[in-house]
Amino acid sequence: DTAVSQTPKYLVTQMGNDKSIKCEQNLGHDTMYWYKQDSKKFLKIMFSYNNKELIINETVPNRFSPKSPDKAHLNLHINSLELGDSAVYFCASSQGAEKLFFGSGTQLSVL
Amino acid sequence: AQSVTQPDIHITVSEGASLELRCNYSYGATPYLFWYVQSPGQGLQLLLKYFSGDTLVQGIKGFEAEFKRSQSSFNLRKPSVHWSDAAEYFCAVMGYSGGGADGLTFGKGTHLIIQP
Repeated sequence: DTAVSQTPKYLVTQMGNDKSIKCEQNLGHDTMYWYKQDSKKFLKIMFSYNNKELIINETVPNRFSPKSPDKAHLNLHINSLELGDSAVYFCASSQGAEKLFFGSGTQLSVL
Repeated sequence: AQSVTQPDIHITVSEGASLELRCNYSYGATPYLFWYVQSPGQGLQLLLKYFSGDTLVQGIKGFEAEFKRSQSSFNLRKPSVHWSDAAEYFCAVMGYSGGGADGLTFGKGTHLIIQP
């Protein structure tokens, strides 16, 4: 079983659309994250949730809204997509300050 | 706030040669440090981590890293690289506070190219 799974793997959409990326972890971890990797491979944290509570909300446009229905899931909803949102989005989870386990990424292309 | 610097954007090494990837961090307390590797089109795989104790840590795939507090460094090494080591390597520091883990702050990565 995949520890951290995210869907879809690829997402191609038009500007202005609304889309969601789903993430699930089966590790029993308390903390989940969303990271964005830009075209230069730079990874930056977007959000962190601990037991369904928002812990970190970096400077991210409010078009991005994370939703955690339970501690095993952290979905990312993006409204009014823009060209600059094109990137690879990684979900991750951890137990406390232990290592992060990453999903395989979602490549978002906004046309 | 914590930060990580990887001064080398690209490194080219001949197959069989030794490798050292540099990483410097900035963090107010004892850091939790990590090295991750990302192969093309793949997610991130943990190579090794340092929390405390022995400053020389061993990881997977023959990698090791040494924590040097005086230099704020956590350099990654491998005695003999293989063509399959070609990838992007990321150094990261874990921040933590009263609220728990604050997630990883990554360096900008080092792209490793292996020459035959």
